Amino acid sequence: DTEVTQTPKHLVMGMTNKKSLKCEQHMGHRAMYWYKQKAKKPPELMFVYSYEKLSINESVPSRFSPECPNSSLLNLHLHALQPEDSALYLCASSQAGGRQSNEKLFFGSGTQLSVL
Amino acid sequence: DQQVKQNSPSLSVQEGRISILNCDYTNSMFDYFLWYKKYPAEGPTFLISISSIKDKNEDGRFTVFLNKSAKHLSLHIVPSQPGDSAVYFCAASQGNLIFGKGTKLSVKP
Repeated sequence: DTEVTQTPKHLVMGMTNKKSLKCEQHMGHRAMYWYKQKAKKPPELMFVYSYEKLSINESVPSRFSPECPNSSLLNLHLHALQPEDSALYLCASSQAGGRQSNEKLFFGSGTQLSVL
Repeated sequence: DQQVKQNSPSLSVQEGRISILNCDYTNSMFDYFLWYKKYPAEGPTFLISISSIKDKNEDGRFTVFLNKSAKHLSLHIVPSQPGDSAVYFCAASQGNLIFGKGTKLSVKP
């Protein structure tokens, strides 16, 4: 199994809603990532979990709350989002701890989020 | 300020010919460079990489060239195939990956 699975594929939510994005991998990877990608822009790193601990938070607003329940699962809890948060949210994983330059990231297909 | 730049948003090539995708970077501390390929409605997939201590890496139809003095790398695809049509992201790393904006390659039959 070389897949990173993200659910849901599409999500529409209002600014007062609470929702969660889910990501799962069964490759035994020790690092998991959340990226945000807006149209015609590069993916931008949000969070990195290394060995189930949050190792990097790229100054992401608190309305985004990551959670890593175990080494295979990564969630992103969303609350009180703004329309400008509408984007493609990509989950990724890598084999090692997430700090080596030559680590290859395996990406999921993403969740296309629209905030109304 | 962008640390990784892909100045061509799109490239169109005839099937069988060479595709050359370019990437420039500003941070001389990057020690690894990667190319990712992205089809619509899918996440990016790893294509090929190169360490900063090398100047060329080849994998089948794909070759990446690195010119450290110019802070420039390029991806060559020979021969190009219609299935290569996708968005190609250049990425550089010194621990965390920094992506360029991507180049949309269209290979016409």
